[in-house]
Amino acid sequence: AQSVTQLGSHVSVSEGALVLLRCNYSSSVPPYLFWYVQYPNQGLQLLLKYTSAATLVKGINGFEAEFKKSETSFHLTKPSAHMSDAAEYFCAVSADNTDKLIFGTGTRLQVFP
Amino acid sequence: GAGVSQSPSNKVTEKGKDVELRCDPISGHTALYWYRQSLGQGLEFLIYFQGNSAPDKSGLPSDRFSAERTGGSVSTLTIQRTQQEDSAVYLCASSLAAVLNTEAFFGQGTRLTVV
Repeated sequence: AQSVTQLGSHVSVSEGALVLLRCNYSSSVPPYLFWYVQYPNQGLQLLLKYTSAATLVKGINGFEAEFKKSETSFHLTKPSAHMSDAAEYFCAVSADNTDKLIFGTGTRLQVFP
Repeated sequence: GAGVSQSPSNKVTEKGKDVELRCDPISGHTALYWYRQSLGQGLEFLIYFQGNSAPDKSGLPSDRFSAERTGGSVSTLTIQRTQQEDSAVYLCASSLAAVLNTEAFFGQGTRLTVV
């Protein structure tokens, strides 16, 4: 069965600092990988997804993620954090060649001025 | 509708009572998902409907939980004899699912509190 592990339930950065949120996946077949974001009191929305066309994926709001097969990782990064990036971020994998999405436990990002 | 709609947005119920949570997916989306979000637990997969195929119920935590999807559209998640540990936000999502890795669109969720 496929799964994702998000290292660090909480990450704190200063405004302007690099954001790095970690995600490792487990899959016996080539995975489809996603990052979703949940802003306070809002629903989840898609940040970006890995489609196998390119290993470096760019998403909304300046975020990007790189698929590294050798490390089974799909870490999310942003060069310079904004206060508005404070939210919970979820990594997800689609399972067993279906569209069923399996999510990680989430990482709460705090941004300090 | 324009997005995934869930009702009610909040539900407080007494332990032992049954509850029904409703999800209206985006029109034309063939896949529908239910998840449970608890503090520190992330999004726990509950059940997945895909077109006319048999639903994937592998995430339902007990036989008190059931879900149906009528006419390939609206879905209802039913929790019988609710327990305090059922308190959580229940999220519904839908996707086109015409091809793999299509985006899932989420509703705002139903916050269930069992007292």
